[in-house]
Amino acid sequence: GAVVSQHPSRVICKSGTSVKIECRSLDFQATTMFWYRQFPKKSLMLMATSNEGSKATYEQGVEKDKFLINHASLTLSTLTVTSAHPEDSSFYICSARSWEGQYNEQFFGPGTRLTVL
Amino acid sequence: EDKVVQSPLSLVVHEGDTVTLNCSYEVTNFRSLLWYKQEKKAPTFLFMLTSSGIEKKSGRLSSILDKKELFSILNITATQTGDSAIYLCGWSGNTPLVFGKGTRLSVIA
Repeated sequence: GAVVSQHPSRVICKSGTSVKIECRSLDFQATTMFWYRQFPKKSLMLMATSNEGSKATYEQGVEKDKFLINHASLTLSTLTVTSAHPEDSSFYICSARSWEGQYNEQFFGPGTRLTVL
Repeated sequence: EDKVVQSPLSLVVHEGDTVTLNCSYEVTNFRSLLWYKQEKKAPTFLFMLTSSGIEKKSGRLSSILDKKELFSILNITATQTGDSAIYLCGWSGNTPLVFGKGTRLSVIA
């Protein structure tokens, strides 16, 4: 099956610093990538939809200037958490969508656990 | 290697039918098993299961976990076309999430 990787899997940073998370589709071209944030005991929250070569579409309530998303190629999207604060500590998960014939499935990355001290 | 296997991968039923979706897992440091419904955008949370043998219900949906057999099922009764979606089963623990590939359910009128 299609593989999506995320890097790093775990990151700890100081408050006020910026953190970049990479999401890669390893064996397919992903025209669309999604970034989610997972809260404990709750559902995944979609943060933004990223289409290759265009600006990301952010969900309501998500700060565009704080969560910078770049989808520079069909296999790579990055999420940069700028000026991170402890409340940004969470699981960030990306998924990539592959248009293969009639299928329209999302493949999830393993997630990145961000801890902001 | 931790893994979550869902079956069937796809399923087509008629409105009013009852369906059972399966999820088996082989993971270390198990904490909870989660079911999600994924339509066009973000997966939406359905159930979190941590204890074996306790059924969780929400309307026409119900789910139960068997920690001994490492197995969970999701039941949907009296299916409706709005139930058409991909149903994801995932494991939550001390490491990043592990999801199955999902079951694509199509309910036809």
